[in-house]
Order: sequence, then C-alpha cells, then structure tokens
Amino acid sequence: EAEVAQSPRYKITEKSQAVAFWCDPISGHATLYWYRQILGQGPELLVQFQDESVVDDSQLPKDRFSAERLKGVDSTLKIQPAELGDSAMYLCASSLWQEIDTDTQYFGPGTRLTVL
Amino acid sequence: LAKTTQPISMDSYEGQEVNITCSHNNIATNDYITWYQQFPSQGPRFIIQGYKTKVTNEVASLFIPADRKSSTLSLPRVSLSDTAVYYCLVGDYSSASKIIFGSGTRLSIRP
Repeated sequence: EAEVAQSPRYKITEKSQAVAFWCDPISGHATLYWYRQILGQGPELLVQFQDESVVDDSQLPKDRFSAERLKGVDSTLKIQPAELGDSAMYLCASSLWQEIDTDTQYFGPGTRLTVL
Repeated sequence: LAKTTQPISMDSYEGQEVNITCSHNNIATNDYITWYQQFPSQGPRFIIQGYKTKVTNEVASLFIPADRKSSTLSLPRVSLSDTAVYYCLVGDYSSASKIIFGSGTRLSIRP
C-alpha cells in the first residue's frame, strides 16, 4: 500500500536555528497538507497545496514558517528561526482531490520536533 | 465553520461495542462528516465518512440522524488494538480553513 513519506522522523534543534521538514505524498495525489500537532491536542492545519499552488496558508505563521511544493510533488516546510513553542509533531497528508466534498486524507508518520 | 464536540475520553472492554458521539450543531449543507483514528506517534488514519443516514465499512459504522447535528461512530467488538484517539471532522475541504480537528476522544480498551 502506498504511503506518505516524511523525513526526518525526529529533529532536535536549538532555538533561533533553522529547520526543514520534507514530505513525499502518495503518487498521483494532487493535494498536500501540512499540520502541526502539539502533544495532547488535535492536528492544526498550517497550509494546503493543490499541485504546486497554495490553496490556503491563512493559518501559517508566515513570519517564521514557509512552505513550498515547487514541482507539485514533494514539499518542504521550513521554520526560521525556531522557537521553543514550535516543539510539536509536524504531519504531512495527501489526497486525490477527485471529489472535493469527500476528500480523504492519507497521513505520513510525522516529524517530531524538539526545540531546546 | 462547523465546530465539533466530542467526549474527552471513554473506557470499554474487549469484545464490547463502542459508540462515540460527535456534536456538530452548525453543520453546513455541503459538509461531510469524517472520522479519523490516531495511535501514539503516528499520523491519523481515515476510518469512515458519511453525509446522512448510515454508512458501514469493514472497520466501523457511522450513524447520522436526519438533522445531521450529530453523528455516532460505532466500533463493533473492540480489541486492545482499538485503543487510540478518535477525531470527528466536519467540512467540505474546499478550503484549508474549514478543516478543523478537535481534541478528539481518547478511547481506552481494557482486557
């Protein structure tokens, strides 16, 4: 069964450093999502891509976060500079987008970020 | 935005049927109801989705009353491996701002 790949699985960094996460969606999936999940809470959507275009990044803290999906396939989420409050699990998901109303998301294993 | 309300936690025993109810009083006409399951240190996994009445798959059933202001996820004959957090989502996914995971329901299954 095809899966969403993410790397690294774990990242430890010091505050004020830059970090980057990579996501490779399921082949053929046009839509890609990045979520942030703080321990004990549900995932919070940061950004949604349709192919290489950003559909909605209204919930992305743009002063320090950036996301790109240059060729409409894999994607990178960057944080610069990292802050203590950024410690969380960063999840990537993808979907086919065949029927908008019933779009099922497939999640990757996530990257757990710890900021010291 | 259709906000959802779920119980914070539930306990049950192996072999029992578990029903988790989600309240979504402000659901819109175009909104679908989707349930996800999440194990520790893993991403959420799709369980079931529906618009109205009843939907059943090999894993669960979803019951949606006529007014669609709530929904119930039914897990038949649970096992220890069903211990997880279950999230109810309501939305049409046409905009990222409409995709909202709540805090979910932490289901614990005991032997």
